[in-house]
Amino acid sequence: GQQVMQIPQYQHVQEGEDFTTYCNSSTTLSNIQWYKQRPGGHPVFLIQLVKSGEVKKQKRLTFQFGEAKKNSSLHITATQTTDVGTYFCAGLPNAGNNRKLIWGLGTSLAVNP
Amino acid sequence: EPEVTQTPSHQVTQMGQEVILRCVPISNHLYFYWYRQILGQKVEFLVSFYNNEISEKSEIFDDQFSVERPDGSNFTLKIRSTKLEDSAMYFCASRGPAREKLFFGSGTQLSVL
Repeated sequence: GQQVMQIPQYQHVQEGEDFTTYCNSSTTLSNIQWYKQRPGGHPVFLIQLVKSGEVKKQKRLTFQFGEAKKNSSLHITATQTTDVGTYFCAGLPNAGNNRKLIWGLGTSLAVNP
Repeated sequence: EPEVTQTPSHQVTQMGQEVILRCVPISNHLYFYWYRQILGQKVEFLVSFYNNEISEKSEIFDDQFSVERPDGSNFTLKIRSTKLEDSAMYFCASRGPAREKLFFGSGTQLSVL
């Protein structure tokens, strides 16, 4: 079946270090979304990428969508303790009229002050 | 920003009992979802609902589960006979007509004893 693999599963960094999480889909995606879930909270939408090769930035966060629209990455520059949480990617398969997002397992980020 | 609201925030029930989890999606949204998450693990899709019917459901969503939009504002998830393994955080989500972001509620933590 369609899968979205996300790595790493966990990442511990020192405050100020950079962080990257990667998503790889088994199928071509129509779009990919990124969500952040703080500990004890609910997923909150960060961004959606639609175009092949697209790069979007939100302050210290940089999101990329691969040329083949099968992979994506989220890079955080100079992490802060407020970045702590689990980052999920969720892809919408290209084929058919599927409205179901395929979720990655998430990357849990811990930031040591 | 508009919110998806869920009640109750916590629900404790005995195995075999029926539970109804309630959600009020954002008022102009057309697509509604239930997800669950077991103790900070992956976000698992349960069911999507559009135009007053289920549009897609996962293998988890068996005959013990049902959804309803009884009055045009509420969206409910019923578990007929709860099992221990149904213990999880249940998130309701909604989105508008385009393939845009999901808005998640704060979740109902279901504990089956």
